[in-house]
Amino acid sequence: AQSVAQPEDQVNVAEGNPLTVKCTYSVSGNPYLFWYVQYPNRGLQFLLKYITGDNLVKGSYGFEAEFNKSQTSFHLKKPSALVSDSALYFCAVRDGHNFNKFYFGSGTKLNVKP
Amino acid sequence: GAGVSQTPSNKVTEKGKYVELRCDPISGHTALYWYRQSLGQGPEFLIYFQGTGAADDSGLPNDRFFAVRPEGSVSTLKIQRTERGDSAVYLCASSLMEQPISFGPGTRLTVL
Repeated sequence: AQSVAQPEDQVNVAEGNPLTVKCTYSVSGNPYLFWYVQYPNRGLQFLLKYITGDNLVKGSYGFEAEFNKSQTSFHLKKPSALVSDSALYFCAVRDGHNFNKFYFGSGTKLNVKP
Repeated sequence: GAGVSQTPSNKVTEKGKYVELRCDPISGHTALYWYRQSLGQGPEFLIYFQGTGAADDSGLPNDRFFAVRPEGSVSTLKIQRTERGDSAVYLCASSLMEQPISFGPGTRLTVL
C-alpha cells in the first residue's frame, strides 16, 4: 500500500537559518514524489517533484528536496528560511499502479521567526 | 492564466440536507480530481475524472457522495443527506497528462 509519513507536526526555525521538513514514503513500484505548500485560505501550490534522475530536486521559491532511496525519504530543504515561508507543507506520493491517485502526508506546519 | 476555481468558498448546511459543490478546472485540463481535507489532515482522494467519465471513484466514502462532469470540463460534487462528519474542506484539482495537479482554493463545508 502507498503511504506518506511526515513525522513532525510543526517545525520552528529562525529566519536566515536552514530548514528541513521531513517526509518518508512507502510505495510499490517507482516512487513519484511531490511537495506542496498551503498558505492560509489558499489552495495547495506545487513546489517540486521527483520522478527520476538527480536525487537533488530544485523547485519554486528556493526550495529543494533530496530523494534517498535506501531511506525511503524525500526531505524538503531550504538553505536560508524566510518569514514568508511560514505555511503548511505536504509531501505526496503518486500511486505506483494507479497514476491518478495521490497520497498525501498529514502536513507539517513551518514557523519561521524573525 | 486562470487557475482552478471552486464555488461556493463556504457552505453551511443542516444535517440531512443536500449540497452541491462546483469546480471549474484549468481550461484544457483533461484530468479532474476531488479531494477532501479534514482539520489537521492531508488531502484524501475521493474521485478522479478523465474527460467525462469517472475513471476512479474508489475514494468516495459511501453512496451519499456522487460527482459528475457531463461535458468534460466543470464538475459538481453532490452530497445527499449530509452528516456532521462530512464537514471538511473539499478540494478540486486538475491536470494535463502527467503534469503535477493544480489545486483550487477549496470549499469549506460545515454541516450543523
